[in-house]
Amino acid sequence: EAQVTQNPRYLITVTGKKLTVTCSQNMNHEYMSWYRQDPGLGLRQIYYSMNVEVTDKGDVPEGYKVSRKEKRNFPLILESPSPNQTSLYFCASSLSSSGDTDTQYFGPGTRLTVL
Amino acid sequence: SQKIEQNSEALNIQEGKTATLTCNYTNYSPAYLQWYRQDPGRGPVFLLLIRENEKEKRKERLKVTFDTTLKQSLFHITASQPADSATYLCARSSGTYKYIFGTGTRLKVLA
Repeated sequence: EAQVTQNPRYLITVTGKKLTVTCSQNMNHEYMSWYRQDPGLGLRQIYYSMNVEVTDKGDVPEGYKVSRKEKRNFPLILESPSPNQTSLYFCASSLSSSGDTDTQYFGPGTRLTVL
Repeated sequence: SQKIEQNSEALNIQEGKTATLTCNYTNYSPAYLQWYRQDPGRGPVFLLLIRENEKEKRKERLKVTFDTTLKQSLFHITASQPADSATYLCARSSGTYKYIFGTGTRLKVLA
């Protein structure tokens, strides 16, 4: 089954404790992206990757890191989480990022709470 | 800055009627607009994409229009059903790798 998976689905942590949220897709997609969703603010893009070893900042990259060492995986790293990073996070992928093939497939989401 | 605006107020309509949701964009002309459906606590699911040179796109009971003069896209669900109740998101893409989403409009179809 074609899908985007995220782990963990739920996470409660404390300020400053490094964490990684994993994202994996089995569709051989080139493009992957991370979003956070907050009430009243909608989905905002954190980072994206056009292909292996190629990443760039979205609209809200501060406090996050990403890497793309393999095509299927795109982990999101919070080196020192803070309470304002409490949010619902989504990973997404698409075949490419242009034309009709930039339809994004989203993962199920990771609800992160930073105390 | 580039913005996508959707009516943040919930839309309640009676079953069987046509729901119409609005997406307005400012400060640029996107090459494409996409519409997604999102159920509570779940990831968005793609519904339709419309190019700037297309006036209208249809898929079953769904119809999307794109008016570059008004800088607006309309999303219609005809013969709406309670199962159509969800939040609908509009997003722009322009082949530049970045995406901008609207905040979404929550639709509730009353039986």
